[in-house]
Amino acid sequence: GNSVTQMQGQVTLSEEEFLFINCTYSTTGYPTLFWYVQYPGEGPQLLLKVTTANNKGSSRGFEATYDKGTTSFHLQKASVQESDSAVYYCVLGDRNNRIFFGDGTQLVVKP
Amino acid sequence: DPKIIQKPKYLVAVTGSEKILICEQYLGHNAMYWYRQSAKKPLEFMFSYSYQKLMDNQTASSRFQPQSSKKNHLDLQITALKPDDSATYFCASSHDGGARAEQFFGPGTRLTVL
Repeated sequence: GNSVTQMQGQVTLSEEEFLFINCTYSTTGYPTLFWYVQYPGEGPQLLLKVTTANNKGSSRGFEATYDKGTTSFHLQKASVQESDSAVYYCVLGDRNNRIFFGDGTQLVVKP
Repeated sequence: DPKIIQKPKYLVAVTGSEKILICEQYLGHNAMYWYRQSAKKPLEFMFSYSYQKLMDNQTASSRFQPQSSKKNHLDLQITALKPDDSATYFCASSHDGGARAEQFFGPGTRLTVL
């Protein structure tokens, strides 16, 4: 079946450190992959999406590469800021138009 | 102006009662969704509607019933409320019901069942 796995429940960094959030997925065919971000007290919002395998998406300094070979879609940012503190969800849209959210990763950035 | 309105923002109910959560979107979208987020738990997909028709239901309980009176409305009726139903319920919409579409989320309704 379809699934999205985010291994880290929480990531704690200091400002200007490198961010890496792991995401792997399982599905058949060629899904669309997303990262959504949820700030405290708000609904999630789209951070970036990639529809084509082996392409990279980027937004606001964040980037993720849709790697069909390793079925991964890891999120990275070279230098985080305190304002990046939020929950990050890796999301899969499959070929049957179903949407699957990962469990989310809480990012805490200390000043 | 808010593009997705959810009412009320906060709701307190007693066990066994029934409540309706309201969602309206003014983005001209054709697909709408409901999600639930319990305290310290991840977001959980519940329903998706496209052109006012149910597309996907990943909610086990029949106590949760979406209601779509207009294309830009998707309310959520919850009957026989239980304390475990306490959560924030998010409504979302997208241009179409395709899995490639960006979803826009409302601010949520926080439900507490006593």
